[in-house]
Amino acid sequence: AQKVTQAQTEISVVEKEDVTLDCVYETRDTTYYLFWYKQPPSGELVFLIRRNSFDEQNEISGRYSWNFQKSTSSFNFTITASQVVDSAVYFCALSGETSGSRLTFGEGTQLTVNP
Amino acid sequence: KAGVTQTPRYLIKTRGQQVTLSCSPISGHRSVSWYQQTPGQGLQFLFEYFSETQRNKGNFPGRFSGRQFSNSRSEMNVSTLELGDSALYLCASRANSQDTQYFGPGTRLTVL
Repeated sequence: AQKVTQAQTEISVVEKEDVTLDCVYETRDTTYYLFWYKQPPSGELVFLIRRNSFDEQNEISGRYSWNFQKSTSSFNFTITASQVVDSAVYFCALSGETSGSRLTFGEGTQLTVNP
Repeated sequence: KAGVTQTPRYLIKTRGQQVTLSCSPISGHRSVSWYQQTPGQGLQFLFEYFSETQRNKGNFPGRFSGRQFSNSRSEMNVSTLELGDSALYLCASRANSQDTQYFGPGTRLTVL
């Protein structure tokens, strides 16, 4: 069975602070895929990034960066210089060769960025 | 390219009724998946359709069913509604297997 754990239920920061959202996953698949989605109050899940299990290269995209570490089964997400518009619920998700299309989501982390 | 669209956006029903939700995928995407989101259970996978065939199914009762048409549009049906079916129902589409799923805005269903 697959499992995704986001231990941080809520995070509150002040604008311009850096914030890291943690994600720990469990899977027996050799090939798997990790995702981060953002859900603003409107409800739509917005895709942010995808990482394949065979690609441990970390990535920076503007104010966003991701740290994928297979050794610790973690896929953390950092927002640098946070902005009020970053306020949303962030979900980490996992799919793999045995689950097919099914995404297993974490519980989500509510990020609030205060001005 | 237009994103995933879902209709209606909001729906209010009473217990025992049935409901049909609609999802139009991104143009060219052949796979449509449905998810239920509730405060208590989080995001849970309902089922996936690919080229009009159900390819994967989550752990939901038979009251939840779906179908996909030749143009890849999909519908989800819930019969004999229960209060616990109140949720945000999200549809996602992707082009092929293992591609990224892109989500629509969701249909918020309230069962009274």
